[in-house]
Amino acid sequence: GQQVMQIPQYQHVQEGEDFTTYCNSSTTLSNIQWYKQRPGGHPVFLIQLVKSGEVKKQKRLTFQFGEAKKNSSLHITATQTTDVGTYFCAGVNAGGTSYGKLTFGQGTILTVHP
Amino acid sequence: DVKVTQSSRYLVKRTGEKVFLECVQDMDHENMFWYRQDPGLGLRLIYFSYDVKMKEKGDIPEGYSVSREKKERFSLILESASTNQTSMYLCASSLLGTGVYGYTFGSGTRLTVV
Repeated sequence: GQQVMQIPQYQHVQEGEDFTTYCNSSTTLSNIQWYKQRPGGHPVFLIQLVKSGEVKKQKRLTFQFGEAKKNSSLHITATQTTDVGTYFCAGVNAGGTSYGKLTFGQGTILTVHP
Repeated sequence: DVKVTQSSRYLVKRTGEKVFLECVQDMDHENMFWYRQDPGLGLRLIYFSYDVKMKEKGDIPEGYSVSREKKERFSLILESASTNQTSMYLCASSLLGTGVYGYTFGSGTRLTVV
């Protein structure tokens, strides 16, 4: 079945440093989504990427979708303590009837030291 | 404020008990999902439903069943709880359509089976 791998599993940074998490799918995706889960909270939808090579920005966050639509990345510039949490990518397999069923990566746990 | 509500935040059950986890959404979403979240494993899909009385197995359905008698309510049932079902259970909902829509998650139920 479809697998979505995410690296690194953990990332510790000093406040102000940049952070990147990478997501790779074993199959071509129709789209990819990113979620953030604060400690003790639930995942919250951040963004969806649909087009090959697409790049989207949300303030200090930059999201990219690979040309082959099999990988994606999330980059945070100048991290802040409010960025702490687990970041998940999640993709929908291209083709077939999936009813919008997402397969999630394992997540990257980001710790930011002040 | 749109919402996915899970009936219990914390639950402790004994091995062999039948356990019901309830989820209600007020967004008129067609899709509803049950995930379990375990450290290092991310979110794994147990079951999902794209319509009333319709259900589809996810990646780890063994030991679980679901019920969707009304559009707004999706129940997860552990027929005979076991200790390896101790986990965080997350319910989510989304629209169904030609695109893929972001999920809205509930706050989760942390289930401990003793």
